[in-house]
Amino acid sequence: EVQLVESGGGLVKPGGSLRLSCAASGFTFSSYSMNWVRQAPGKGLEWVSSISSSSSYIYYADSVKGRFTISRDNAKNSLYLQMNSLRAEDTAVYYCARDYPFDPWGQGTLVTVSS
Amino acid sequence: SSELTQDPAVSVALGQTVRITCQGDSLRSYYASWYQQKPGQAPVLVIYGKNNRPSGIPDRFSGSSSGNTASLTITGAQAEDEADYYCNSRDSSGNRVVFGGGTKLTVL
Repeated sequence: EVQLVESGGGLVKPGGSLRLSCAASGFTFSSYSMNWVRQAPGKGLEWVSSISSSSSYIYYADSVKGRFTISRDNAKNSLYLQMNSLRAEDTAVYYCARDYPFDPWGQGTLVTVSS
Repeated sequence: SSELTQDPAVSVALGQTVRITCQGDSLRSYYASWYQQKPGQAPVLVIYGKNNRPSGIPDRFSGSSSGNTASLTITGAQAEDEADYYCNSRDSSGNRVVFGGGTKLTVL
């Protein structure tokens, strides 16, 4: 069964940092691009970042560029999102999703940025 | 980048047909994908490409596209189809991804 499990969310103060992880199983992780998508409370979906299978191509939404860094470790079947200089507007559930179109999605991890 | 526009809410009577639309310039170059999200759950891909359904998605879901508008059609809507529906596509650069604002579907 293809499965994606996010972790690392929590409460952080504005200006702080957090590192999200996404553990993949049930498929050949190194063959697929991966993505982060977020959803603020009561709001719609927002694409955050994508990384190609070999990490050669990386893209960010303008809203996070320069503050967030996506990476992956194919040996560990894991995807990461390093989030720095966090703002209140980064508060959201963060999902990892495989490939494009995005399928499947993980269950999400909640990041709350508040003092 | 580009934007995708969806109607915020749509309703349909049980067993009837409903069309949810998504408009944007990027749709002239890229197909839309459609996702269903039920409360408290992660989104699920229901339609991608010209009109493709992932395994396990009922055939009452279909997709179409014309010009700058993509549509998701549910033929014979069921109570379990009540959910938020989001479209997305590549943006004009082809490298980034854009989402529509989502449509809340109510099945009456």
